[in-house]
Amino acid sequence: KQEVTQIPAALSVPEGENLVLNCSFTDSAIYNLQWFRQDPGKGLTSLLLIQSSQREQTSGRLNASLDKSSGRSTLYIAASQPGDSATYLCAVLAGGGADGLTFGKGTHLIIQP
Amino acid sequence: KAGVTQTPRYLIKTRGQQVTLSCSPISGHRSVSWYQQTPGQGLQFLFEYFSETQRNKGNFPGRFSGRQFSNSRSEMNVSTLELGDSALYLCASRFLAGGNNEQFFGPGTRLTVL
Repeated sequence: KQEVTQIPAALSVPEGENLVLNCSFTDSAIYNLQWFRQDPGKGLTSLLLIQSSQREQTSGRLNASLDKSSGRSTLYIAASQPGDSATYLCAVLAGGGADGLTFGKGTHLIIQP
Repeated sequence: KAGVTQTPRYLIKTRGQQVTLSCSPISGHRSVSWYQQTPGQGLQFLFEYFSETQRNKGNFPGRFSGRQFSNSRSEMNVSTLELGDSALYLCASRFLAGGNNEQFFGPGTRLTVL
């Protein structure tokens, strides 16, 4: 059974810092990996999708990497801003794309002004 | 293009009642999935529908059911509500063709069972 772990569970940093969020998964037979952010009481916003054949994806100040063989992904946020404060969730899709997403518990990020 | 919409946004029910939640996917998306989010268990997959057929199902009791209509809109039903069913219910849609599996989520329905 696929399990997804996110470290750290919470992180508080001053504005302007670069930071890395970590995600690990137990079964490397994934179809893709997706990073989301969730603001309090809201739905999920898709940030980046990495296909299993890719090593990284970039969108603006965000860069996500994937090392399928070691079961790890990282989300790098450059020049953090208070508006980046949210919970960041990592999710993997397995079963050739036929399964539901398996989520980590998330990293609660606070960017101090 | 409009995003995924869910109605209602908030619901309060009592134990033993039943509830129906609705989800309209992004235009052109034919797959709709449902997830339950609780503080203790996090986000858990309930089921997915594609072309009006259930494709797969998570580990939830039979009290949780769903359906999909020909216009891809989906409904989720929970019968005989229990206190533990209090959660944020999220639906997600995806195109599901040509390897495009990016999933987009709606704002959720907050269900409170008293």
